Amino acid sequence: QQQVKQSPQSLIVQKGGISIINCAYENTAFDYFPWYQQFPGKGPALLIAIRPDVSEKKEGRFTISFNKSAKQFSLHIMDSQPGDSATYFCAVRETSGSRLTFGEGTQLTVNP
Amino acid sequence: DAGVIQSPRHEVTEMGQEVTLRCKPISGHDYLFWYRQTMMRGLELLIYFNNNVPIDDSGMPEDRFSAKMPNASFSTLKIQPSEPRDSAVYFCATSPWAGGETQYFGPGTRLLVL
Repeated sequence: QQQVKQSPQSLIVQKGGISIINCAYENTAFDYFPWYQQFPGKGPALLIAIRPDVSEKKEGRFTISFNKSAKQFSLHIMDSQPGDSATYFCAVRETSGSRLTFGEGTQLTVNP
Repeated sequence: DAGVIQSPRHEVTEMGQEVTLRCKPISGHDYLFWYRQTMMRGLELLIYFNNNVPIDDSGMPEDRFSAKMPNASFSTLKIQPSEPRDSAVYFCATSPWAGGETQYFGPGTRLLVL
């Protein structure tokens, strides 16, 4: 069963614009919500993460917004740069263990 | 630290052959995860270990897949016999913390089964 759904599948943004990627999950037994960034030919790397006791976390140009009641969380990239062009994955971690379940991924292209 | 090391980086084999993928975790990381990435199924967890012990292998697709971690410095993922549908990028990731937060991924092994 698909526990996390990510959208959009692909996104094209102009340099300086805001990129927004959304994820929705189906189970309440999650306690950790990371976003990973993957460049072509590389493994994913942790970008930013949030726990359900806060509604927002900001690190530089990257912000996670978390809506516990709606079971949704989103990644906002402010002032998007061509170097941000990559595939982004949201993930959820089960409270009872160490398993991460990843979303389908969003391919972001930032045009110069 | 060199990060997670995977070998080989690329593997081309014929259907029916045995394939062995290798992973050297970051020193001191107690958790090791094997993932498979495909266009159709995305990034899937196959199995993970804690202190060399397999904890959850529910993602292993079938008996043709097996994974071992004989010591804290080495893990293998074996496919025998391999099939074309096994073609994918296989990642090893490790984490120093309980709960597997902040997983550090290796560069992956790109496997093509003809």
